[in-house]
Amino acid sequence: DADVTQTPRNRITKTGKRIMLECSQTKGHDRMYWYRQDPGLGLRLIYYSFDVKDINKGEISDGYSVSRQAQAKFSLSLESAIPNQTALYFCATSDLEETQYFGPGTRLLVL
Amino acid sequence: DAKTTQPPSMDCAEGRAANLPCNHSTISGNEYVYWYRQIHSQGPQYIIHGLKNNETNEMASLIITEDRKSSTLILPHATLRDTAVYYCIVRAGIGGKLIFGQGTELSVKP
Repeated sequence: DADVTQTPRNRITKTGKRIMLECSQTKGHDRMYWYRQDPGLGLRLIYYSFDVKDINKGEISDGYSVSRQAQAKFSLSLESAIPNQTALYFCATSDLEETQYFGPGTRLLVL
Repeated sequence: DAKTTQPPSMDCAEGRAANLPCNHSTISGNEYVYWYRQIHSQGPQYIIHGLKNNETNEMASLIITEDRKSSTLILPHATLRDTAVYYCIVRAGIGGKLIFGQGTELSVKP
């Protein structure tokens, strides 16, 4: 969905490096989410935010942190990347009915 | 949030209706049934959702049984572009989170 953008789309990094994945949305939604997807598996929730001052941990938040800089921006950071964080990362936004709109994904490889 | 059970894979002939089942026997009264699909590592795409009544939109129809323990997503005239993994998700209302399972891999064949 072009209303939700993610940068970068692909990233290769080394173990121990700090990296940031960024998400922007033009849908005007208050709610934003970060998911990861591993090959052959469904999506798992990392963090979510219901408004700029609200940050919540999801199922698998260890090793990750987030920042909600504005209503439209939600960033995910890997403080010290490790190989098992290699995955496809998706950002999403939702309206009050919780219909979620996903970005195109960031493919991350940690060597 | 209630757990869902879906068949891991299904085939459908192009132009025919695709009926994707989902069991959610532990669903509670305030939980909605959502369907999303994911086409080859793209971001998941919302299809439809419902609470009790059957729902229809331009993409699909959602049939929920009277006891709400199961539902069926119907793609009335499947095309090759409908080949995707389809996720059935049960979640509570405001504040509930989406819990994605394994989904059903639908292959639409010519």
